[in-house]
Amino acid sequence: GQQVMQIPQYQHVQEGEDFTTYCNSSTTLSNIQWYKQRPGGHPVFLIQLVKSGEVKKQKRLTFQFGEAKKNSSLHITATQTTDVGTYFCAGRSSYNFNKFYFGSGTKLNVKP
Amino acid sequence: EAQVTQNPRYLITVTGKKLTVTCSQNMNHEYMSWYRQDPGLGLRQIYYSMNVEVTDKGDVPEGYKVSRKEKRNFPLILESPSPNQTSLYFCASSLSPHVSSSYNEQFFGPGTRLTVL
Repeated sequence: GQQVMQIPQYQHVQEGEDFTTYCNSSTTLSNIQWYKQRPGGHPVFLIQLVKSGEVKKQKRLTFQFGEAKKNSSLHITATQTTDVGTYFCAGRSSYNFNKFYFGSGTKLNVKP
Repeated sequence: EAQVTQNPRYLITVTGKKLTVTCSQNMNHEYMSWYRQDPGLGLRQIYYSMNVEVTDKGDVPEGYKVSRKEKRNFPLILESPSPNQTSLYFCASSLSPHVSSSYNEQFFGPGTRLTVL
């Protein structure tokens, strides 16, 4: 069945270091969304990527969607303590785009 | 304030005792969905609804039921809860279910932590 794998599971960085999380799907995705969940909170939407090879930036965050629409990444430059949380990707299958498949998440800890 | 609300926020129950978790959104969203979140597994979709009276199974529908009689409400029903349904549950909604729409970001409720003994 459809799977979206996300790595790494955990990442501990010093404040100011960069951070990247990767998602890979077993099948082609129609689009991919990224969410952030703060400790004890609920997921909050960050961005959506739809086109093959798409790159979007939000301040220190850069999101990429692979050419084959099977992988995506989120890169944070110069992390801050406010970046702490778990980052999830969520893909919509090309076969049934009404369903969402979330990655298992990457938990980011930033040491000041 | 635009929001998704869930009730209850916390629930401890016993095996076999039917329960309902309510979800309501005040944004006139078409698409609504239920997820469960378990450590190391991320969020897994239980059921979703494209609009009133239109529901379909997600990835892990076994043991759950839903209904969508009104656009704003999407209750999750556990007819006979079992300990393996102990989890954190999130309801989410989005304006449009269409893939390329700019309006299909999902808004999540605050979550319901369910423990089944």
